[in-house]
Amino acid sequence: NAGVMQNPRHLVRRRGQEARLRCSPMKGHSHVYWYRQLPEEGLKFMVYLQKENIIDESGMPKERFSAEFPKEGPSILRIQQVVRGDSAAYFCASSPPWRMNTEAFFGQGTRLTVV
Amino acid sequence: QKEVEQNSGPLSVPEGAIASLNCTYSDRGSQSFFWYRQYSGKSPEWIMSIYSNGDKEDGRFTAQLNKASQYVSLLIRDSQPSDSATYLCAVPRNNNDMRFGAGTRLTVKP
Repeated sequence: NAGVMQNPRHLVRRRGQEARLRCSPMKGHSHVYWYRQLPEEGLKFMVYLQKENIIDESGMPKERFSAEFPKEGPSILRIQQVVRGDSAAYFCASSPPWRMNTEAFFGQGTRLTVV
Repeated sequence: QKEVEQNSGPLSVPEGAIASLNCTYSDRGSQSFFWYRQYSGKSPEWIMSIYSNGDKEDGRFTAQLNKASQYVSLLIRDSQPSDSATYLCAVPRNNNDMRFGAGTRLTVKP
C-alpha cells in the first residue's frame, strides 16, 4: 500500500510562471490537506478537500492560489504567477473517511523554488 | 490566541534523559490530539494519538492529556541522539482539518 505520493519533489519556477503540485492520497483515503512550510517555520494549513469538494480553504491566499480534488486523479494545488515569497515546502496529507479525528499521513513534500 | 501553541525551543537534553514537550490548544471542544516528528528536510511523521485524559504510553513515548487545562504533552524517556528533531503538536479544528503548532526543536546530546 503506497503512502501519500507527491510530485514533483522539487520544482523550480521563474517569477510569473505557474506551479502545479500534485498529491495522490493513500489508497482508501478521501480527505486531503495541503500545508505550506517556510524554512525554519511550522506547518501552515492551507486547504482541506474531499473528493470534488473544498471543505475549508481558510488558509489559502485569496489570490493566485487554488486547489482541487477531482473524482478521478490526484489533488492539485495550483499557484499562478508565482513570486519569490511562494518559495516553500508544500506538504500534502491524507486521512480515511471512516473515522473522524484520525491521524493524517504526509507525503514527502514538494519543494518549490521561485527564481 | 493561536489555536495550537508550542514552545519553539530549542530544547536540549543529554542522552538518556527525559525530554518533555508541551502544547496548549484553544478549542475546548477538541477531542483528539496528535504528535508528529519532523526531521530536518523531511516530512512530518505521525508518532502518537491521544483522545482521553491521562497518560498513553508507547515504548519510550508517553503522551499526556489534560482537557481541563487544554494541555497535551509528549515525554520521551531514555532520549537518544536519533530523537533529535522538531516535534509538532496537532489538533483537529471543528473535528475536521488538522491544525499544527509551530513545533519544538529537540536536540539530544551524546
